[in-house]
Amino acid sequence: AQSVTQLDSHVSVSEGTPVLLRCNYSSSYSPSLFWYVQHPNKGLQLLLKYTSAATLVKGINGFEAEFKKSETSFHLTKPSAHMSDAAEYFCVVSDRNGGSNYKLTFGKGTLLTVNP
Amino acid sequence: NAGVMQNPRHLVRRRGQEARLRCSPMKGHSHVYWYRQLPEEGLKFMVYLQKENIIDESGMPKERFSAEFPKEGPSILRIQQVVRGDSAAYFCASSSGVATTDTQYFGPGTRLTVL
Repeated sequence: AQSVTQLDSHVSVSEGTPVLLRCNYSSSYSPSLFWYVQHPNKGLQLLLKYTSAATLVKGINGFEAEFKKSETSFHLTKPSAHMSDAAEYFCVVSDRNGGSNYKLTFGKGTLLTVNP
Repeated sequence: NAGVMQNPRHLVRRRGQEARLRCSPMKGHSHVYWYRQLPEEGLKFMVYLQKENIIDESGMPKERFSAEFPKEGPSILRIQQVVRGDSAAYFCASSSGVATTDTQYFGPGTRLTVL
């Protein structure tokens, strides 16, 4: 079985300051991990994904995440927040070797607010 | 290249009516997935389909819900005799395969409101 816990339901930062969105996962097999972003009334857009290559993954719009197996974490970071980053962010896991790796399990989401 | 298309974007139904949600996958994608997002929750997997086949419907409620992906045309998620608890956002995703490197691309969702 797999699960995801997003530790903060809401994060508020000032424009130009760093962003940290926390995610812990549980997986019976080797996981694939993703971060998706959802802007209001839009579909989900993939920011980045980890599928067993480098543990530090770089995504779009300056975001990156580090896979830490010992901590079962996959936190999302960005050095400097932009107003356009305000959105809901979902951490997602799938079991790579479980035979149903297409089945994505989503966290409950973290709403990021960026203040001017 | 158009992304995943879903329609309608918003759907209002009264209790007992039927809801039909449509999803057109990205060009070249033959794998379709439906997810449901209840208020204050993350998305939950419902069903995975390929053309004319249901591969995995383990997340679908046993009654009133059905899905299809015909040889021609969009994938359809059908909810019969809707109840208030069916009010949610329904997202469709598509991919070109199911390898771990194959990304699921999501549509904008259909927001169903049951009165």
